[in-house]
Amino acid sequence: KNEVEQSPQNLTAQEGEFITINCSYSVGISALHWLQQHPGGGIVSLFMLSSGKKKHGRLIATINIQEKHSSLHITASHPRDSAVYICAATPWRGSQGNLIFGKGTKLSVKP
Amino acid sequence: NAGVTQTPKFQVLKTGQSMTLQCAQDMNHNSMYWYRQDPGMGLRLIYYSASEGTTDKGEVPNGYNVSRLNKREFSLRLESAAPSQTSVYFCASTGGGGEQFFGPGTRLTVL
Repeated sequence: KNEVEQSPQNLTAQEGEFITINCSYSVGISALHWLQQHPGGGIVSLFMLSSGKKKHGRLIATINIQEKHSSLHITASHPRDSAVYICAATPWRGSQGNLIFGKGTKLSVKP
Repeated sequence: NAGVTQTPKFQVLKTGQSMTLQCAQDMNHNSMYWYRQDPGMGLRLIYYSASEGTTDKGEVPNGYNVSRLNKREFSLRLESAAPSQTSVYFCASTGGGGEQFFGPGTRLTVL
């Protein structure tokens, strides 16, 4: 079992829909990251959080430390949100900043 | 600021050839990383450098060597390329805050 699991693997939505991507982890962590990768593109950090909730524009990330679970929400989705979203965790165990990655969720938003 | 830069963007090698992927960051970050990304596998850590002068193996180091030339530069060398090393390679760096900044990637094909 991977230490960081994401669901769903693939997600198709209509423009304007509210989207949720989930991430569960099985190790103690100091931070949880959400990354975005557009097709053929580089990887951009969206959020890094260790508790509570963060919001940036239409994107919201939440984390529940007790349940070892995080969610990424996209409100009023748009075709330009189509990308792979990657959850990653910074574990406590002497990681020197190394991340454990989920396998990503491929989101496609149709106009 | 350019952030994290990588060269080349694309490369095709024949089996047995060697090459070096270059990475540089201008954010004065201590830690730098090399990842490979393969379909269905997610990002996997090849090598990392927690500070200038130190390097350590990650999850998939076989067939690779690295050099932390100075604080800015971290290179990845394939001594004898194999088709199994066909992948997209990302360099990343992180400062004290923990957020990782990624380069644009190098798409490598080994024939």
